[in-house]
Formats: sequence, C-alpha cells, structure tokens
Amino acid sequence: DTAVSQTPKYLVTQMGNDKSIKCEQNLGHDTMYWYKQDSKKFLKIMFSYNNKELIINETVPNRFSPKSPDKAHLNLHINSLELGDSAVYFCASSQGGVGGNQPQHFGDGTRLSIL
Amino acid sequence: DAKTTQPPSMDCAEGRAANLPCNHSTISGNEYVYWYRQIHSQGPQYIIHGLKNNETNEMASLIITEDRKSSTLILPHATLRDTAVYYCIVYYNQGGKLIFGQGTELSVKP
Repeated sequence: DTAVSQTPKYLVTQMGNDKSIKCEQNLGHDTMYWYKQDSKKFLKIMFSYNNKELIINETVPNRFSPKSPDKAHLNLHINSLELGDSAVYFCASSQGGVGGNQPQHFGDGTRLSIL
Repeated sequence: DAKTTQPPSMDCAEGRAANLPCNHSTISGNEYVYWYRQIHSQGPQYIIHGLKNNETNEMASLIITEDRKSSTLILPHATLRDTAVYYCIVYYNQGGKLIFGQGTELSVKP
C-alpha cells in the first residue's frame, strides 16, 4: 500500500510544452504539499494545500498551478516548460492543524527533464 | 534559511551505532525537532521527531539536550541500507513549511 503516490515517475519533454504531475495519498491527511529538489539537491517547498485551500505559495512562477480536486489529491500543472524546470518534484502529505506534531510523508518523486 | 547545523558527512561501521549530531541553538519553545533521511533517488523518509523529551521508535532514538539547543539521532545498529543523507529540521506548523538544510551524508561501511 503506497501511502503517497506520484505519477509519472519520469517525465521527459521538450521546452515550451505543458505537463501535469499527479499526486494521491491514502493516509486520510488533509494537507498536501509540493517540493522541488534541484540539481544541487536542495529541497524547497513550492505549495501547500489544506482541505483543498491554498496555504503556501512560495514565490513560484505562475506557470506552475497546483490543483486539488479533493483532500486526497494534489496535482501540479506546469505551462510553457523551461530548461530550469528540470528537477525532481516531491509530493507530501500530513495531518493539518496548528502545532508541530504532524510528520509529513513524501512520495518517491517525479523526475522531470526538459530537452 | 535552515535553522540547524549538521556535519556534512560521517562514516559508520556496519553493525555499530551511528550518532548524528545537530545544532539548533535558535530553536523556539514551540518548535519540534524532526529527522528525515533521503536514500539516493527516493523521497525523504520520516524517521522521528520530538519536542523536549527523548524519543525512540523502531527506526531510531532521538536525544534532545535539556536546553534544546542540540540533538542527536541514534541509529543503534547501522546497516548498509542506512547509507543516506540525514536532515535535522526544526519545525512548527505555520502552513507546514519544512525547511531542509544540507544534511549529513552518512556512509555505512562494511
């Protein structure tokens, strides 16, 4: 039983294309996240959603648009892909609420390569 | 910016305890200490977290100093599969922003 699953695992596409990455969690969590890990291996948060509502948007270009159809899904759509978008994108989920006692659980990542 | 300082790399012999240190001298009273690890090409894996008390689970133990300015993650019997980058993170949920630093690259050697 995969807790946080992302599809596709690998995505190779040309500059200028539009693509989507899907994420689903079966943990019953109400908060989901997208992180980006670049070639230098730094992991940075991009977005978080709580109960389908956007909570964090970390100065990400508006070519990136997250969509949460329900609490268990958070998809990432990217328009007009650029070379700098090449990275590994990780989805995560946690139980929401104020405090610090809610571990985030990550998927295995989507490796996006722009040609 | 990450609020933690970790050594960039450490070695450990297989079967021995791996003790990974972390400094977080500016930690706030409500912030938790979290540990994650990332094995090559995989997503970050949650290991353990704590607020003030020492914690233990099936993966590891977390020792937090009384002043909470530093902590140590202990893998009691390291195996080759524990080779990974280990991240120490201080965290309080304000939207859920985990801030990853550079971590410690642990190499477990036979």
